[in-house]
Amino acid sequence: EAQVTQNPRYLITVTGKKLTVTCSQNMNHEYMSWYRQDPGLGLRQIYYSMNVEVTDKGDVPEGYKVSRKEKRNFPLILESPSPNQTSLYFCASTTLPGAYGYTFGSGTRLTVV
Amino acid sequence: RKEVEQDPGPFNVPEGATVAFNCTYSNSASQSFFWYRQDCRKEPKLLMSVYSSGNEDGRFTAQLNRASQYISLLIRDSKLSDSATYLCVTYTGRRALTFGSGTRLQVQP
Repeated sequence: EAQVTQNPRYLITVTGKKLTVTCSQNMNHEYMSWYRQDPGLGLRQIYYSMNVEVTDKGDVPEGYKVSRKEKRNFPLILESPSPNQTSLYFCASTTLPGAYGYTFGSGTRLTVV
Repeated sequence: RKEVEQDPGPFNVPEGATVAFNCTYSNSASQSFFWYRQDCRKEPKLLMSVYSSGNEDGRFTAQLNRASQYISLLIRDSKLSDSATYLCVTYTGRRALTFGSGTRLQVQP
């Protein structure tokens, strides 16, 4: 089944404790992206990647890191999480965003206390 | 001003009703347009692309007005299963989709 898989689905952590949210897609898509969703603000892009070793900042990159060492994987790293990073996170992938939009993973609900 | 604006609703309609949502976008460089559907606490799913000539997919019709910079979605014969939040989305060629905050639809029996 073609899909984008994120883990974990739920995570509660403490301020400052480094964490990684994994994302993997099995559709051989070039483009991958991370979004966060907050009430009233909609979905906002954090980082995206056009292909292996090619990444760039989205609209809200502060406090996040990403890497794209393999085509299928695009992990999101929070080196020192803070409470304002409490949010619902989605990973997404596509062949061509303008033509096909993005296919989203099931989401990761992160709470930083 | 938000780049993509939608009425948050909720729109409460009876089963079988026809309902329409509008969305306005501010970036005239927007190239592509989509409607996504999002169920509560779940991932957004692509409902349909929106083409300049307008397009239809079953009970759903999407329209684009580039001159006025708005997009519409019409749902005919609403079903209970149509209850969801509908997200208006634009693409400006910067490899990012820009999402509206969504319009919530509640279809009632």
